[in-house]
Amino acid sequence: GAGVSQSPSNKVTEKGKDVELRCDPISGHTALYWYRQSLGQGLEFLIYFQGNSAPDKSGLPSDRFSAERTGGSVSTLTIQRTQQEDSAVYLCASSSDSGSTYNEQFFGPGTRLTVL
Amino acid sequence: RKEVEQDPGPFNVPEGATVAFNCTYSNSASQSFFWYRQDCRKEPKLLMSVYSSGNEDGRFTAQLNRASQYISLLIRDSKLSDSATYLCVVYGGETGANNLFFGTGTRLTVIP
Repeated sequence: GAGVSQSPSNKVTEKGKDVELRCDPISGHTALYWYRQSLGQGLEFLIYFQGNSAPDKSGLPSDRFSAERTGGSVSTLTIQRTQQEDSAVYLCASSSDSGSTYNEQFFGPGTRLTVL
Repeated sequence: RKEVEQDPGPFNVPEGATVAFNCTYSNSASQSFFWYRQDCRKEPKLLMSVYSSGNEDGRFTAQLNRASQYISLLIRDSKLSDSATYLCVVYGGETGANNLFFGTGTRLTVIP
């Protein structure tokens, strides 16, 4: 079956421009996560959506970052006025989160963002 | 203090060797524990869950020590294909918020 897909796979932008990254989770998965992974670093949590609940935005590094999830499915991560330190791989994951039980997260291939 | 800490390595071992990675976590209330594998420039994928009694999957053995708050992964008879970064993942168990924490990963290279 189809896994998590992300687009674009690569994005090169100039400092100060806005970018939008898209994530299509596995159909039926209610939980969706965005992470950032810089070169040689671990996964840095950004934001978490669970069903119709208010998202957990506690990981967003600044107000230049925002995300939304429309219709409980597709999610878009937006970075405004990009900076060079935003360069990283942005990973999206989804799971059939059923509350207090952890269910396996399935990751997309990521979007490699380069800010010049 | 980080929620999850791992030795970043790298671990360079010859084929056939046994190698072990450890991971420590800070929240004693954490409920679930996992090892993920991430190949170079690829996304992480679940390798195995870690149970209190310890569990084995072929050449891989995972152990949990709740008293000391550490998790281990043992790989026996290492293969070249085991070369990857291994991520320790801890789940806090609370709903409605992010309670999933990833370690920075331990890099393993198996040498012919």
